[in-house]
Amino acid sequence: GAVVSQHPSWVICKSGTSVKIECRSLDFQATTMFWYRQFPKQSLMLMATSNEGSKATYEQGVEKDKFLINHASLTLSTLTVTSAHPEDSSFYICSVRWDTQYFGPGTRLTVL
Amino acid sequence: GQQLNQSPQSMFIQEGEDVSMNCTSSSIFNTWLWYKQDPGEGPVLLIALYKAGELTSNGRLTAQFGITRKDSFLNISASIPSDVGIYFCAGQRGTGANNLFFGTGTRLTVIP
Repeated sequence: GAVVSQHPSWVICKSGTSVKIECRSLDFQATTMFWYRQFPKQSLMLMATSNEGSKATYEQGVEKDKFLINHASLTLSTLTVTSAHPEDSSFYICSVRWDTQYFGPGTRLTVL
Repeated sequence: GQQLNQSPQSMFIQEGEDVSMNCTSSSIFNTWLWYKQDPGEGPVLLIALYKAGELTSNGRLTAQFGITRKDSFLNISASIPSDVGIYFCAGQRGTGANNLFFGTGTRLTVIP
């Protein structure tokens, strides 16, 4: 299977600041990566699809100006949570699709 | 996005017991996937099913793709403490970018 890393594994920030989360595909080139959000005791919800060299596709209800996605290379996608608020606190997980979807270890974001 | 119905929601079992959980949907899927998520980690793929009626094993885990393509089950035999975690099913329709839909999860607790 594919190996996916995320950085950082956890981050705490003040309300109003921006936070960048990186997702890397370590063993193959991924033209498409996915970003999910998971609230406590809930399932994963797809936020957006990150496309290398083009704009991301956002799911309904996800603000594209708040969750900026950049997929500048075939091995790296970044998610920036802009002007973070406490309600953005969540577990953010990226994935890549090879034969099927493989997930990163996740990033726990806590906004104070 | 669409979610799949997973049951039971949680299970408490004694070490050594067998476990069975299932996932149902009102829609047809072409692929069924089963993931395990440990606390603070991303989901890890356990079994992938690609064909209606397919029965696949991975060690003590066995999963089947329902004939109707609207359901799947996962069995764990002779449970051990490290089986503790949340199990998610996921359905995949085709080769489109955002075609993975997650179940609501089954939280498994194994009592030594």
